[in-house]
Amino acid sequence: SAVISQKPSRDICQRGTSLTIQCQVDSQVTMMFWYRQQPGQSLTLIATANQGSEATYESGFVIDKFPISRPNLTFSTLTVSNMSPEDSSIYLCSAGAGRYEQYFGPGTRLTVT
Amino acid sequence: GESVGLHLPTLSVQEGDNSIINCAYSNSASDYFIWYKQESGKGPQFIIDIRSNMDKRQGQRVTVLLNKTVKHLSLQIAATQPGDSAVYFCAERAGGGNKLTFGTGTQLKVEL
Repeated sequence: SAVISQKPSRDICQRGTSLTIQCQVDSQVTMMFWYRQQPGQSLTLIATANQGSEATYESGFVIDKFPISRPNLTFSTLTVSNMSPEDSSIYLCSAGAGRYEQYFGPGTRLTVT
Repeated sequence: GESVGLHLPTLSVQEGDNSIINCAYSNSASDYFIWYKQESGKGPQFIIDIRSNMDKRQGQRVTVLLNKTVKHLSLQIAATQPGDSAVYFCAERAGGGNKLTFGTGTQLKVEL
């Protein structure tokens, strides 16, 4: 399995600002993903972070709002841009260590005021 | 810590009893399934997985059953302990690639 860390663990931000979340994996992985989990709900995939190319976004998520970087096989960032209270959520990074399984970081708890 | 189970279906069991958590999936093309456990304030933790060419897989105190005919997945936890209290999610891989689609989740509460 892969060990995944995220920074920050939580933050309170003002509307209109942006926050960049970092995800670090302890080993090289092929796949990295970003999810959103709203309070009391399940996980929704935002995008697949591709190393060396643009991220692949799911329906309802766009690059201008959620720019993603993946400069190497162990690190990725997700930026939540021009935040509004509706962006208050848990943001989770995951990594694919084997063929299909994914392991998750602890999440970043974001509150937008 | 923040709870993610406030609006989820709840299963309450007595300590020492067996728990069965169910999940229905809709995509008949799904070929791989994972169960995750999420404790309050933490990220999902991988429990066990199963491929569609199997109907049962066992781990330590956990068993996953897959019924492809009715598109149903279950997680059985033997001798449930207080530490098993968490939200449990099933996830499926469908249509190629490595994307997972998550179910709605079930809150498991273990009563002493």
